Order: sequence, then C-alpha cells, then structure tokens
Amino acid sequence: GDSVTQMEGPVTLSEEAFLTINCTYTATGYPSLFWYVQYPGEGLQLLLKATKADDKGSNKGFEATYRKETTSFHLEKGSVQVSDSAVYFCALSDRGGGNKLTFGTGTQLKVEL
Amino acid sequence: GAVVSQHPSRVICKSGTSVKIECRSLDFQATTMFWYRQFPKQSLMLMATSNEGSKATYEQGVEKDKFLINHASLTLSTLTVTSAHPEDSSFYICSARKDRVPYEQYFGPGTRLTVT
Repeated sequence: GDSVTQMEGPVTLSEEAFLTINCTYTATGYPSLFWYVQYPGEGLQLLLKATKADDKGSNKGFEATYRKETTSFHLEKGSVQVSDSAVYFCALSDRGGGNKLTFGTGTQLKVEL
Repeated sequence: GAVVSQHPSRVICKSGTSVKIECRSLDFQATTMFWYRQFPKQSLMLMATSNEGSKATYEQGVEKDKFLINHASLTLSTLTVTSAHPEDSSFYICSARKDRVPYEQYFGPGTRLTVT
C-alpha cells in the first residue's frame, strides 16, 4: 500500500537558519503530495501541495518540489522564524487530496532565537 | 474560508461509558468527512470515511461497532466511541472535504479523549 516516510524530529534550529525536512513516498499511480502544519493546540492546516511531477508547491516562504524519479517531496525554507515552530506532516493522496490521505509520522520543528 | 469545528475539544470519561464527538463544517457543505486517530508522536491514522446519507467505510482493523459514525447532514458528522476503555484514549481528528473542485480536505482542531 501507499506509505510516506519523513525524517524524525525534533529538529531544533536557530532563527534565520535554513530548513530541510525530508519526505519520501511509496505509491501506485500518480499521487498528489502535500505538506500540512500543525501549530500547538490547533488542527492541521494545508501548507502547500503539488499534484504532478516537477510541480513546485510554495507558501509562506516554504517550498517543496515533486520529484518522481526520487519519489521525494522535501520541504525547505531559506530562513525560519520562531513562529514556524510546529509539527510538519508530509502526506499523499491518490486524487488531489479529496480521497483519503496517507500521512508521514510528522516532524517537530523548534526554532529558537 | 473553510472552517471545521470539533466538539468537545477535550473529554474525560469513565471506562464502559460512551462518548460522542461532533465534527461540523461551518461555512461549506461536505458530503464526505474523514475521521483520524493520532497517537502521541505518531502519525494520523485514518479510521473511517463518513458519507452523508450512507454507511461509513471503515479502514481495516477498525471496529465499526465500537466507533459508530453518523453523517446526518451535509455539515455534521459524529463519532461515538462506545463502551470506552483506557486504550481508546487518543486524539481524534476529523476532516471535511469540500463538495467542489479541487475537493480539498479541511481539518478540525481535534478532540482529546481520556478514558479513566
């Protein structure tokens, strides 16, 4: 079945540091890929998505590129802020997010001053 | 916007009792809603897909008689944990899928269930 593997956390960075959170997937067909963010005490929010190979999703300074050849969708941000501290989930769906989502285990990010 | 609410946000119940959790889409219609369970430091696991006006579809290994799902309207789905036991203690999250392209899912804030 489908699966998502993402790097374990927690990840602790200083403000303005570069962020990479790795995510690889296994799926049949051509899934859509997502990054969700969960701030403390809140529900999941869609951060960005990509629906086909070589698409780049971006939002709030975060980026991720759908790499079919490496089955990866790594999350990056050039300069993190304290407000980026949250748990980040990589996920895939077989139909644009409308069908059920398969999540990775989540990566906790803590950004310090 | 697309807001999904859950009620209650936290609930503590005694072993053997039943607990109902509500999931509402506040500003859009959702024929389909999903129920997830999240264990500490672990991923979200899909429990079931809830469809308005029809029976829910449960994932393998999820007891449908224990986790009763009712999707009575286009904006409300409920999850009832029957005869709760301490091992049912968890964080339950719902999501609602918009009924139009691109059929995106929006998540509720979750419900923390503790069974004593």
